Amino acid sequence: KNEVEQSPQNLTAQEGEFITINCSYSVGISALHWLQQHPGGGIVSLFMLSSGKKKHGRLIATINIQEKHSSLHITASHPRDSAVYICAVREVVFGKGTKLTVNP
Amino acid sequence: DGGITQSPKYLFRKEGQNVTLSCEQNLNHDAMYWYRQDPGQGLRLIYYSQIVNDFQKGDIAEGYSVSREKKESFPLTVTSAQKNPTAFYLCASSVQPGGDTEAFFGQGTRLTVV
Repeated sequence: KNEVEQSPQNLTAQEGEFITINCSYSVGISALHWLQQHPGGGIVSLFMLSSGKKKHGRLIATINIQEKHSSLHITASHPRDSAVYICAVREVVFGKGTKLTVNP
Repeated sequence: DGGITQSPKYLFRKEGQNVTLSCEQNLNHDAMYWYRQDPGQGLRLIYYSQIVNDFQKGDIAEGYSVSREKKESFPLTVTSAQKNPTAFYLCASSVQPGGDTEAFFGQGTRLTVV
């Protein structure tokens, strides 16, 4: 069983829709990371969180340490949000990613 | 601007040749990492280094070697012993290992072995 599970694997949305990507993990952590990978391959760190909720623009990340679960939300989605979103715990354990496609 | 740089972006090599991928950071980070990414799979750790002159094997170290002679640099050599070297390679750094600090990633090197 993978230590980090993401769902869904693929997600297609219409522009403007509210998006939720989920991440469950089985290991003890001090922080969880959400990363964004664009088609060119480069990765950008979106959030690092250890409790509660963080917001950056239209992106919101939440974590429930007791339930070992985190969610990444995108409000008013836009085609430029199309990317692979990856959940990671520590620097060594990554989810397989959620491929998001937002159609205009 | 501070950041982490990988070069080259695309690399082609003949089978049986060793090839070295460059990773440089000017963020003054102690920890550096190399990952491999294959289609449909998550990032997998090849090697990591917590400090100069020290490095540890990750989950898939066989066929790879690294060095950490300078804080800024963590080159990865893909040797001829690596059975399936064609992949996308990513380098990252963080202030310190342990997952409590943000990791910064390079833009990656896509290696194709023919």
